[in-house]
Amino acid sequence: QKEVEQNSGPLSVPEGAIASLNCTYSDRGSQSFFWYRQYSGKSPELIMSIYSNGDKEDGRFTAQLNKASQYVSLLIRDSQPSDSATYLCAVITAGDMRFGAGTRLTVKP
Amino acid sequence: DAGITQSPRHKVTETGTPVTLRCHQTENHRYMYWYRQDPGHGLRLIHYSYGVKDTDKGEVSDGYSVSRSKTEDFLLTLESATSSQTSVYFCAMMDSLAQNYYGYTFGSGTRLTVV
Repeated sequence: QKEVEQNSGPLSVPEGAIASLNCTYSDRGSQSFFWYRQYSGKSPELIMSIYSNGDKEDGRFTAQLNKASQYVSLLIRDSQPSDSATYLCAVITAGDMRFGAGTRLTVKP
Repeated sequence: DAGITQSPRHKVTETGTPVTLRCHQTENHRYMYWYRQDPGHGLRLIHYSYGVKDTDKGEVSDGYSVSRSKTEDFLLTLESATSSQTSVYFCAMMDSLAQNYYGYTFGSGTRLTVV
């Protein structure tokens, strides 16, 4: 079992819709959770972090964490073509950051 | 990529040759990391450093070595390049362990092809 798992996609949504990206992790001791966005040919950039159960909102982005289910998600409201990218889930466990393989999102105009 | 740069951006090398990739940061951050990214595998940690001359292995360290003689520079060396080391290599930095709450800052990457 991979430590951090994501659906590879591609996930395709129409412009203006909500995109929902999911991630599960295997270690119950994991402490911090991140979402990175990576455009094709570019480096990952941090867009959201979350540490406590519940929701965290930042503009059009909402991160959701459920430690009991070992599940973290990212919602993108009012999706735009510029949101088309690969989204990486990252989890810190005992000081080590582990990444999922990423979900490719395409937002169609 | 603010404050962290990688060189070269692209490199083609022959099997069996040594290769060194450079990561340079201007933020005086303590922690630095080398990752490789391959389709279907995401980012995998090769080596990391928690200070000058303090380094440790990551999950895919075989065939790689690192050095950090100055805070600002973290070098990754492929001792004898193989085709399986064809990949995109990313360097990352972090200020302190407290910054585990703030994630890493990545360099722009080096695309390495071993022929």
